[in-house]
Amino acid sequence: GAVVSQHPSWVICKSGTSVKIECRSLDFQATTMFWYRQFPKQSLMLMATSNEGSKATYEQGVEKDKFLINHASLTLSTLTVTSAHPEDSSFYICSASRQSSYEQYFGPGTRLTVT
Amino acid sequence: QQQVKQSPQSLIVQKGGISIINCAYENTAFDYFPWYQQFPGKGPALLIAIRPDVSEKKEGRFTISFNKSAKQFSLHIMDSQPGDSATYFCAASRFSNSGYALNFGKGTSLLVTP
Repeated sequence: GAVVSQHPSWVICKSGTSVKIECRSLDFQATTMFWYRQFPKQSLMLMATSNEGSKATYEQGVEKDKFLINHASLTLSTLTVTSAHPEDSSFYICSASRQSSYEQYFGPGTRLTVT
Repeated sequence: QQQVKQSPQSLIVQKGGISIINCAYENTAFDYFPWYQQFPGKGPALLIAIRPDVSEKKEGRFTISFNKSAKQFSLHIMDSQPGDSATYFCAASRFSNSGYALNFGKGTSLLVTP
């Protein structure tokens, strides 16, 4: 149990376009989902936390108008990178947790390349 | 500000040896300490985790040692195998308005040689 999927696994887009990444908990209800970005050979940096039905809480320095997060159901959260630029190229990883649980289950990640 | 400091940055161990990775934290409000394993191009996978009310937890070849007074915890991989070659992240968590957000260490790249 506790499987999290992401779609797409990789995406290439042109500068100025928007890209949507989906994160799904396949076999449990995720009351909280987290979005991270990871640059090569670096650690995971938390971008935002979302609770089902509520607005996302963004970490300091993360532009909420650029990285739109929607957590519309207990199994789906989406991250939309708006007006993407080459510096947004990164590995985006989501995680999900059950209500009042410490454990986070991570998705396989989405490699975004902006040309 | 790095809330969890991890060392070493990289580690080479011979097959059958013991791999040891150390982490330290400052915030005494942290109350959950997991270790994650990540292979290239994949998401992290939870290996083992500990709460501060115990000093050691063992699952198979993986052991966490926890020293609350020193605010340190470590991962020991016994009988290390080439398949253990990956990047390992320690993390610490506490409840906040954002739920149980994880604070990650910078990671340790482990290479187990045959």
